[in-house]
Amino acid sequence: DTEVTQTPKHLVMGMTNKKSLKCEQHMGHRAMYWYKQKAKKPPELMFVYSYEKLSINESVPSRFSPECPNSSLLNLHLHALQPEDSALYLCASSRSGTVNEKLFFGSGTQLSVL
Amino acid sequence: SQQGEEDPQALSIQEGENATMNCSYKTSINNLQWYRQNSGRGLVHLILIRSNEREKHSGRLRVTLDTSKKSSSLLITASRAADTASYFCAASGGYQKVTFGTGTKLQVIP
Repeated sequence: DTEVTQTPKHLVMGMTNKKSLKCEQHMGHRAMYWYKQKAKKPPELMFVYSYEKLSINESVPSRFSPECPNSSLLNLHLHALQPEDSALYLCASSRSGTVNEKLFFGSGTQLSVL
Repeated sequence: SQQGEEDPQALSIQEGENATMNCSYKTSINNLQWYRQNSGRGLVHLILIRSNEREKHSGRLRVTLDTSKKSSSLLITASRAADTASYFCAASGGYQKVTFGTGTKLQVIP
């Protein structure tokens, strides 16, 4: 199984809502990533978890809250988002998070904030 | 920022022709990767070239890396309509940090 599964595929939320994005992989990878991608732009790194510990936070606003309950799961909790947060949110994993590893991406969650 | 610049931003070719995309980056790297993305989908890893390598092949893909010029190129030979996608280079300069370039949108016309 070389898949990274993200749910939901599409999400529409109001600025006062709380929602969560989910990501799952069963490849035994120990590093997991959240990227944000605006239309016609490259993916931008948000967070990295390594062995279930947060190792990189790219100065992301606190309205985005990541969680890694176990080595297979990664969540992104969303609260009080702004319309400019509308984007494709991509989850990725890699074997251990060291250099010279390729990333495996999910298909993403297309988020619209109204 | 490690973010790379890619050119061209968009490329339209006929099926069977070769497509070349270029990437420049700013600081020293451990490796340079290339990914492909179909519209609104996740990215798929194509090839990784390490900083001590100059050229690498994988099927119809050929990647070169020139660390002195901080640049890389991706050549797709004998293109097919199914190659239509956006292609991103990704620089890895630090532990766990992979930073993507601006991307080239390739259209292959049947």
